[in-house]
Amino acid sequence: EADIYQTPRYLVIGTGKKITLECSQTMGHDKMYWYQQDPGMELHLIHYSYGVNSTEKGDLSSESTVSRIRTEHFPLTLESARPSHTSQYLCASSEDGRLAAQETQYFGPGTRLLVL
Amino acid sequence: AQTVTQSQPEMSVQEAETVTLSCTYDTSESDYYLFWYKQPPSRQMILVIRQEAYKQQNATENRFSVNFQKAAKSFSLKISDSQLGDAAMYFCAYRRINDMRFGAGTRLTVKP
Repeated sequence: EADIYQTPRYLVIGTGKKITLECSQTMGHDKMYWYQQDPGMELHLIHYSYGVNSTEKGDLSSESTVSRIRTEHFPLTLESARPSHTSQYLCASSEDGRLAAQETQYFGPGTRLLVL
Repeated sequence: AQTVTQSQPEMSVQEAETVTLSCTYDTSESDYYLFWYKQPPSRQMILVIRQEAYKQQNATENRFSVNFQKAAKSFSLKISDSQLGDAAMYFCAYRRINDMRFGAGTRLTVKP
């Protein structure tokens, strides 16, 4: 399995709370991504980063924010959780390059978030 | 916008038989990458197979192969000699530079 980790794996939290979903990888990948996935549905890209101090929004609008202070770490933060944020959040990473092998994304196990 | 369509929400195959999962995509680009990812229940998503659009030869990885039809924008996955461990959600994905799109997935059941 890929060396990419997410914590927590499951989180149940009340409305209005601030939460941070952690993602770290030990492969030295420059590119990292956050996806949102509702059960049985496709993945939607919400954030990505091409390196330290680089963050971009994906094509699905999200109220979350991300930071990339270290290559291996790409946390996602919700300042005030709402029930509409209930979903699974997947983190992924890839190398930087033009080859298909470098474009392959490696996924973490995901965080299942339930906001009450 | 580029879209990826998987028209089969669910598929079923008998163990040791062959199954084909369909994927079509929409793009105006000529240089891109296509992937099939597998997501077993409660486990990490992993790469099954990948294809560069500029390569005409279909990618093959052991029991997994693709039928890449660039003009038709089709990228189907064939699983031969299906095994119980192949049961999972399969996602077709398109990637070009900053654009990464996934299909809605096909849930594959393998019957013993």
